[in-house]
Amino acid sequence: AQKITQTQPGMFVQEKEAVTLDCTYDTSDPSYGLFWYKQPSSGEMIFLIYQGSYDQQNATEGRYSLNFQKARKSANLVISASQLGDSAMYFCAMREAAAESGGATNKLIFGTGTLLAVQP
Amino acid sequence: DSGVTQTPKHLITATGQRVTLRCSPRSGDLSVYWYQQSLDQGLQFLIQYYNGEERAKGNILERFSAQQFPDLHSELNLSSLELGDSALYFCASSVGSGGMGNEQFFGPGTRLTVL
Repeated sequence: AQKITQTQPGMFVQEKEAVTLDCTYDTSDPSYGLFWYKQPSSGEMIFLIYQGSYDQQNATEGRYSLNFQKARKSANLVISASQLGDSAMYFCAMREAAAESGGATNKLIFGTGTLLAVQP
Repeated sequence: DSGVTQTPKHLITATGQRVTLRCSPRSGDLSVYWYQQSLDQGLQFLIQYYNGEERAKGNILERFSAQQFPDLHSELNLSSLELGDSALYFCASSVGSGGMGNEQFFGPGTRLTVL
């Protein structure tokens, strides 16, 4: 079965520094997608970045980049130049394989999340 | 603002009651997903609809049901509520159902409290 693991329950980072949030995944499907979401204290889930298993380059979106290491099955999120507003819970997620779900679906499997606190 | 709307924002009810959560997807999105976020279970997929038809089912209890209407809005019905059903319920939407990309955009959630 597919699984997402986030081993860092919480992290601190100084404002303006870069931070890496770890995510490892387990799947036997050669075709998969990896997502990162941000959940601030207000509760909403905000889509940050997507990486497809066949993408040749690491995904980037503004200050967010994904360090995708396929052989190691890791998809770490890198936030550059941290801001106070980056303080939130961050979730890594994977789209469930079509073979396991019986067809075309985008249902997501989530990790347990990492709580990031940015300090001034 | 993701473009996905959910009502109500908060819901407080008693055990044994029935509630309905409503979701309107982003304009143009055909898929709607429901997720439950609780302290003990984390974020869990419940069910997906695509263009009115059920597409995938997750750990959804028999007491829960959902549907997607012709105008593509969706409702999640929770009945015979128990204390353990207290959670944040998210609706998400995407353009398609399968394939690469198809990022899901989440609504603000409905916080259900069962007393």
